[in-house]
Amino acid sequence: AQKVTQAQTEISVVEKEDVTLDCVYETRDTTYYLFWYKQPPSGELVFLIRRNSFDEQNEISGRYSWNFQKSTSSFNFTITASQVVDSAVYFCALSEAPYQLIWGAGTKLIIKP
Amino acid sequence: GAGVSQSPSNKVTEKGKDVELRCDPISGHTALYWYRQRLGQGLEFLIYFQGNSAPDKSGLPSDRFSAERTGESVSTLTIQRTQQEDSAVYLCASSLEGPALRNEQFFGPGTRLTVL
Repeated sequence: AQKVTQAQTEISVVEKEDVTLDCVYETRDTTYYLFWYKQPPSGELVFLIRRNSFDEQNEISGRYSWNFQKSTSSFNFTITASQVVDSAVYFCALSEAPYQLIWGAGTKLIIKP
Repeated sequence: GAGVSQSPSNKVTEKGKDVELRCDPISGHTALYWYRQRLGQGLEFLIYFQGNSAPDKSGLPSDRFSAERTGESVSTLTIQRTQQEDSAVYLCASSLEGPALRNEQFFGPGTRLTVL
């Protein structure tokens, strides 16, 4: 059974629009971590954020924000005022005991100038 | 400091040949991971090392795949008798003090393997 679902395969928006990438996960553990990674066209995965299961506070980092809701098992990622440099594939991942990261299939984000 | 490095960056080989892919993790990172990423797809876990031992080899797709790590540093992923379906980008990542749920993984640039 798929444990991390990123239903949006590809999203295309015009620069300066806001965009939300969805991530829904499934786990029976009470302790777990959720991650977002960015994979730009260059190919190298870049860590964006980590959130533990006990901290449901939303987080904002510049134009990026994350909404973690345990009630809906979702960890969505919003980019406000998108820029062309945000174009990339974004992956959501779930870390369960003991160590393995389970990855979503990724969402390809295209920001048009 | 230096990040995770992988070599070669690209490898083209003929079906049936063996290939070796190398990963140099960040110095001091005890945990090392190998993933496979097929074109347009997500990451597929292959194997995890804690130090020089591999407590989880469950992701290796067949007995043609093997990996080792020496000196708690360099790791090599070997694919024997390559098949066309092995064509993918092979990514290596390392993290501090595995196993731990919370440790972020630092990724290398990957090796793009093409099997003709």
